[in-house]
Amino acid sequence: GQQLNQSPQSMFIQEGEDVSMNCTSSSIFNTWLWYKQDPGEGPVLLIALYKAGELTSNGRLTAQFGITRKDSFLNISASIPSDVGIYFCAGLVRDYKLSFGAGTTVTVRA
Amino acid sequence: KAGVTQTPRYLIKTRGQQVTLSCSPISGHRSVSWYQQTPGQGLQFLFEYFSETQRNKGNFPGRFSGRQFSNSRSEMNVSTLELGDSALYLCASSLEGSPYGYTFGSGTRLTVV
Repeated sequence: GQQLNQSPQSMFIQEGEDVSMNCTSSSIFNTWLWYKQDPGEGPVLLIALYKAGELTSNGRLTAQFGITRKDSFLNISASIPSDVGIYFCAGLVRDYKLSFGAGTTVTVRA
Repeated sequence: KAGVTQTPRYLIKTRGQQVTLSCSPISGHRSVSWYQQTPGQGLQFLFEYFSETQRNKGNFPGRFSGRQFSNSRSEMNVSTLELGDSALYLCASSLEGSPYGYTFGSGTRLTVV
């Protein structure tokens, strides 16, 4: 399947900081999705993006669908301890198959 | 409503053995998708079942197979286990297969020794 490059691989954040992560691909996607996975749980959908250039917010989370349709980024504002987890980007082309990035592990620095 | 239930939660198997994992979707959901999650690789799509038919398949060897029953419950089977099959196996259910409506289970952690 399509390869998604997600960066950074991991990050330590200070409570209250704004953080950003992104995903790039050599292929075009029709939809970008961002998930969060808590330890011992399955991923949960945070934000779905359907149109190139679209900017969507969900509380402290903001995500954008890149103009080229080959990239997306996720911002978390004013991070809090419960933001800890693994964040995945995923791209959807067709046939209900998702291609996932390798994930960004977020740890909050006390 | 009850979420997606995967059993067992943990499993340890020996190389060469086979294993069957189970996924009970949310009531009313007819699509079940399976993913393999390994550190540094993210989630890799295995297959998707809808109304007892396999609709989509990922790029995994034939040792990985699945099926779906009339009550939408799904099983995944891996034969002739290899060390590299150690992973978290996740299933996701949705009404008709759209990932926008995915609800993931907590996964089955398979360790092959």
